[in-house]
Amino acid sequence: DGGITQSPKYLFRKEGQNVTLSCEQNLNHDAMYWYRQDPGQGLRLIYYSQIVNDFQKGDIAEGYSVSREKKESFPLTVTSAQKNPTAFYLCASSTSSGIKVDTQYFGPGTRLTVL
Amino acid sequence: DAKTTQPPSMDCAEGRAANLPCNHSTISGNEYVYWYRQIHSQGPQYIIHGLKNNETNEMASLIITEDRKSSTLILPHATLRDTAVYYCIVRVVNTGNQFYFGTGTSLTVIP
Repeated sequence: DGGITQSPKYLFRKEGQNVTLSCEQNLNHDAMYWYRQDPGQGLRLIYYSQIVNDFQKGDIAEGYSVSREKKESFPLTVTSAQKNPTAFYLCASSTSSGIKVDTQYFGPGTRLTVL
Repeated sequence: DAKTTQPPSMDCAEGRAANLPCNHSTISGNEYVYWYRQIHSQGPQYIIHGLKNNETNEMASLIITEDRKSSTLILPHATLRDTAVYYCIVRVVNTGNQFYFGTGTSLTVIP
């Protein structure tokens, strides 16, 4: 059963703690992405990776970090430097980022609440 | 920086066709139009995409005007499960494959 998994679905953390969100895909996709969504808003790109061991900042990368050591995994760390980390986090993947016609497929999301 | 304009909300009677409009007047010749939808607290779901010809799949139809400045997503027989936020996206190439999601149209299917 192919797809993108994110865990956990709900996550609670105390202010000042770093937290890592998991994203795994078994679609053999090259590219992976992290988005953030706030209530009533669209998605905003945090980081993306087109290939293993390479990643680029999106529009709102400050306070976040990522790694891409394996093709199927793209974990996102929300650091204590992120001023307003409470949000819905979405991971996506696509076949390649270099072609025009390319569809992103999304995971179910992780809702992070910082207390 | 969303390049599309959509109405914030729409209603549709169950069983009727839902027609969701989108304006993308600054679209470039090589940019595609994509549609996704998001049911509350879930990840967005891909629906359909097109360049200039009308497209149809098992979920919906996409009608793109000849000048490509607007498009309409058609759900032929709306069901209650089609209640969601629908996003119209113009694919910006050469920017890391980023999809710019605006605030979309909140479609409510009414019994």
